[in-house]
Amino acid sequence: DTAVSQTPKYLVTQMGNDKSIKCEQNLGHDTMYWYKQDSKKFLKIMFSYNNKELIINETVPNRFSPKSPDKAHLNLHINSLELGDSAVYFCASSQDHTQGAEQYFGPGTRLTVT
Amino acid sequence: GEDVEQSLFLSVREGDSSVINCTYTDSSSTYLYWYKQEPGAGLQLLTYIFSNMDMKQDQRLTVLLNKKDKHLSLRIADTQTGDSAIYFCAESHSSASKIIFGSGTRLSIRP
Repeated sequence: DTAVSQTPKYLVTQMGNDKSIKCEQNLGHDTMYWYKQDSKKFLKIMFSYNNKELIINETVPNRFSPKSPDKAHLNLHINSLELGDSAVYFCASSQDHTQGAEQYFGPGTRLTVT
Repeated sequence: GEDVEQSLFLSVREGDSSVINCTYTDSSSTYLYWYKQEPGAGLQLLTYIFSNMDMKQDQRLTVLLNKKDKHLSLRIADTQTGDSAIYFCAESHSSASKIIFGSGTRLSIRP
């Protein structure tokens, strides 16, 4: 009965490859997010979707493309992977996108680019 | 601009109180949060405070907010080994659900 789940948990790949990370929430929430946490634990928002519509798009390279097929899923596709993309990527969801709405985080996907 | 700063490490003895400090720059912040991240896990919301409050207590946790100095603290009373984690301070303002996180404070507990 995991609330926010991500697959895979670990992903090791070579530079130049294209990869996807999937996220699903079973909380009935309207809003989902992708965060990147670097090796120094610094956490930064990348994208946010509300009811499948993009509402936050931070300064992220075009190689990163989120896709939300329905409001329970938010996938992250990364093209032409670079060494600097190595990080832990967290998916999160919240009831809605009003200020103060509690965000529930997934367990993270550790991406290593070699 | 938006910036949230915390010290990187804190070590306390088991049973003592832990105080984790945070400063932020955005005076329009209206929600301030404390999240906990245990090893290998995602973040979990511990507590939050509205900017019109100066204190909030929840069992062993006490949050103090000094809005004038833009300073937020989290006090954990009777610190236990299970409190070992990274604690993130965060803020949001009128910009909907966007949350800005600090760099996290790694709390370690000495026996």
